[in-house]
Amino acid sequence: NAGVTQTPKFRVLKTGQSMTLLCAQDMNHEYMYWYRQDPGMGLRLIHYSVGEGTTAKGEVPDGYNVSRLKKQNFLLGLESAAPSQTSVYFCASSLLLGTGKEQFFGPGTRLTVL
Amino acid sequence: GESVGLHLPTLSVQEGDNSIINCAYSNSASDYFIWYKQESGKGPQFIIDIRSNMDKRQGQRVTVLLNKTVKHLSLQIAATQPGDSAVYFCAEPRPGSYQLTFGKGTKLSVIP
Repeated sequence: NAGVTQTPKFRVLKTGQSMTLLCAQDMNHEYMYWYRQDPGMGLRLIHYSVGEGTTAKGEVPDGYNVSRLKKQNFLLGLESAAPSQTSVYFCASSLLLGTGKEQFFGPGTRLTVL
Repeated sequence: GESVGLHLPTLSVQEGDNSIINCAYSNSASDYFIWYKQESGKGPQFIIDIRSNMDKRQGQRVTVLLNKTVKHLSLQIAATQPGDSAVYFCAEPRPGSYQLTFGKGTKLSVIP
């Protein structure tokens, strides 16, 4: 099993550009999450999904949209990138909801917005 | 407000020594805590967890201690190895939510 994979690994955008980050998991997990990680801020939840076709807002959802059209994929979109969205983005998935033990993280996407 | 924080942002230890990483929390109702390890360029990885009905839990070379009186938990790594070099996060579920609140992290550097 590949676990949780993310594409791309790195990306540089100009302010106002759009892009989509792809997360895929092959563990048949029901729940998927998008986090951002900034220096000195730890991990913060952007959006999450409790199942195919459903999404919900996390702690810092503004400026992002997500879609879960297939159970194994969770997409994070930036419609109009801003420098404040420069960060490392992590996707995670879990079989159970409500604890941190079962969350499996991807390797991350490093995004720079100029 | 509720927060999970770490006392020291960096920690350097000699290979073979024991490491202690600390974490403070502010919500006395918190009943579950998790420690994650994040190696450079990788995503966080679960290490060990502990529930509030326990004071201590041991894993392989790691021990987590929970002191509910002072709202403090620590991660102890025995016989620290170069492969232990990473950033360590504590995390707890937000009250009334499944979401996790992560601490800012402590960077552990192992000196060969």
